[in-house]
Amino acid sequence: GAGVSQSPRYKVAKRGQDVALRCDPISGHVSLFWYQQALGQGPEFLTYFQNEAQLDKSGLPSDRFFAERPEGSVSTLKIQRTQQEDSAVYLCASSSGQGIYSPLHFGNGTRLTVT
Amino acid sequence: TQLLEQSPQFLSIQEGENLTVYCNSSSVFSSLQWYRQEPGEGPVLLVTVVTGGEVKKLKRLTFQFGDARKDSSLHITAAQPGDTGLYLCAGHNNAGNMLTFGGGTRLMVKP
Repeated sequence: GAGVSQSPRYKVAKRGQDVALRCDPISGHVSLFWYQQALGQGPEFLTYFQNEAQLDKSGLPSDRFFAERPEGSVSTLKIQRTQQEDSAVYLCASSSGQGIYSPLHFGNGTRLTVT
Repeated sequence: TQLLEQSPQFLSIQEGENLTVYCNSSSVFSSLQWYRQEPGEGPVLLVTVVTGGEVKKLKRLTFQFGDARKDSSLHITAAQPGDTGLYLCAGHNNAGNMLTFGGGTRLMVKP
């Protein structure tokens, strides 16, 4: 398939563990976004990359959250010392450009449960 | 921070009924999008509205952008069980590079 791929689909972590969530965007898409979606809520912006440059990380909730996209393709969202409030679905989206005429294509998310 | 509020949060109706979902903000958005999300999947884009007062139709779905570009509505005619899902509105900032989502309206259409 040519869609956005996220792995793992489900992750259970004990409080205090570190986790790494992977996003494979659509090939050639320059823009990549991470969103956090709590149960029953809309997605909330975390961070945005254009190619390998992280242009906006204003939505990252704490310094325990870190995202990278070193080669401008695959991206990893890392959460250190996970807390129960980190439990959510983490969505990745990519687009071919930027702006309103470059629609976002979302992956199916990684559901993180912190016990 | 630009906030989008959606109403109602939940809606359960019978097949064949009509419904309207609202998306409101005190901020002006350069454009507004509507997405539909099913359980276990990511949101899928339905429509983008750009011009104040714009109306777009997608089969039984009608989308309207408010004249002041602060609000939008989604009207579904003769709802079907396949319309069940979470409907999300999302607004672009002026630079067009960030989407802010509303909290969503969860729609259930019973056969």
